[in-house]
Amino acid sequence: NAGVTQTPKFRVLKTGQSMTLLCAQDMNHEYMYWYRQDPGMGLRLIHYSVGEGTTAKGEVPDGYNVSRLKKQNFLLGLESAAPSQTSVYFCASSYSGVGGIYNEQFFGPGTRLTVL
Amino acid sequence: TQLLEQSPQFLSIQEGENLTVYCNSSSVFSSLQWYRQEPGEGPVLLVTVVTGGEVKKLKRLTFQFGDARKDSSLHITAAQPGDTGLYLCAGELVRGAQKLVFGQGTRLTINP
Repeated sequence: NAGVTQTPKFRVLKTGQSMTLLCAQDMNHEYMYWYRQDPGMGLRLIHYSVGEGTTAKGEVPDGYNVSRLKKQNFLLGLESAAPSQTSVYFCASSYSGVGGIYNEQFFGPGTRLTVL
Repeated sequence: TQLLEQSPQFLSIQEGENLTVYCNSSSVFSSLQWYRQEPGEGPVLLVTVVTGGEVKKLKRLTFQFGDARKDSSLHITAAQPGDTGLYLCAGELVRGAQKLVFGQGTRLTINP
């Protein structure tokens, strides 16, 4: 199993350009997440999905859109990139826990995005 | 303002020393997790604690969840260079919400 994979690994954009980050998981997990990681800020949740066809906003959703058309894929879109979106983006997935106990999130290797 | 505050943010010690990392909040969490992240990789789960006062051990690492479920600590005994990394605490505010809030992380360096 590949686990959680992210495409691309690195990307440089100019201000105003658009792009889509792809996350794929082969563990049949229900839940998927997009985070951004900035120095001294830890991980901040952008958007998440509790199942195919459903998405919800996280802590910092502005400037991003997402789609979950297939259970195994979760796409993160930047319509008009800004320098403030320079960050490392992580995708994660988890399965629904038994009895409501929280289960671990499995993370991809990250995408390093620079917006000039 | 971080919902989960970790301290210290940076720690550099010699091999063989002991250390403790703290994760504090004014909010009550239904569960709390600790992750470790190495450069160029995503975080990997170390432990989940769910009961107030719970203590879990993972070899030389000891994790404790506060009695009031507002704080947690990670203690490493006889630190080794392989323990070097970014340690992140993450909590679930509402049981079953399937969302985590992360602390800002503690960057730990163990010098040989």
